[in-house]
Amino acid sequence: EIVLTQSPGTLSLSPGERATLSCRASQSVSSNYLAWYQQKPGQAPRLLIYGASSRATGIPDRFSGSGSGTDFTLTISRLEPEDFAVYYCQWYGTSTMWTFGQGTKVEIK
Amino acid sequence: EVQLLESGGGLVQPGGSLRVSCAASGITFSNSAMSWVRQAPGKGLEWVSSTTASGDTTYYADSVEGRFTISRDNSKNTLYLQMNSLRADDTAVYYCAKVLYSGGRCFDYWGQGTLVTVSS
Repeated sequence: EIVLTQSPGTLSLSPGERATLSCRASQSVSSNYLAWYQQKPGQAPRLLIYGASSRATGIPDRFSGSGSGTDFTLTISRLEPEDFAVYYCQWYGTSTMWTFGQGTKVEIK
Repeated sequence: EVQLLESGGGLVQPGGSLRVSCAASGITFSNSAMSWVRQAPGKGLEWVSSTTASGDTTYYADSVEGRFTISRDNSKNTLYLQMNSLRADDTAVYYCAKVLYSGGRCFDYWGQGTLVTVSS
C-alpha cells in the first residue's frame, strides 16, 4: 500500500514569499500519476498539477510541480492572498487506486 | 461550463441507507469516468469509489466495499452512490469528481459536495 506523507503540516508565510510543499511516497511511484490540489474553506478541491509537473487549465504559472520516484514538490513562486489554502497531493495506482496525502495548510504569517 | 451538482445528502441513523446523486452538465458524461471522494469534518480527502464511462467496471475503497454501490445513468447524465449499513465514520461531505484519464487519472472537475451525517 502506497502512503503519501506531506510536509510540513502547516506553512506560515507572508504574501510575496515562496512556498515549497513536499509530498513523499512510501515507495517509488510513477510521476505520471501524481497530482496536486488546492482547497479553500467551504469549497471543493481544485486541480492544480497533474503528471507531477503539468499545470491544469487556467492555473497561474506561479504554481509549479516537480519530482520523481518518492519525492515530489509543489512550489508557489510568489504567494498571492488567494493562495492561502490547504494543498493535497494524490497518486493513482492500479492496486491502491487513488490515494491522497494528509494535506499541507499554507497560512498567512 | 462544467457543472457537477450533488444532491441527496442528509441525516441518517447508523445502519441506515441513503443515495446521493450527481447531475453533470458541460461534459460528455457518457465518455467520462467518474468518482466519489469524501471529506470528514475537519479532515482530509478520501477516495471512495469510481466507475468507468460505461459503468461496466467499478472500484471501491476497502472502507466501503460491500456497503456502497456506485452506478450511473448515462441517459440522464447522472452518477449515483447508494450507501447502506451506514456508520458514524461515514459522516462526510461527498464530492463527485470527473476522472481525467489523459492526465494520469486525476480529478479535473469537482462538484460542490453534499453532506451526509450519520447519527442517532
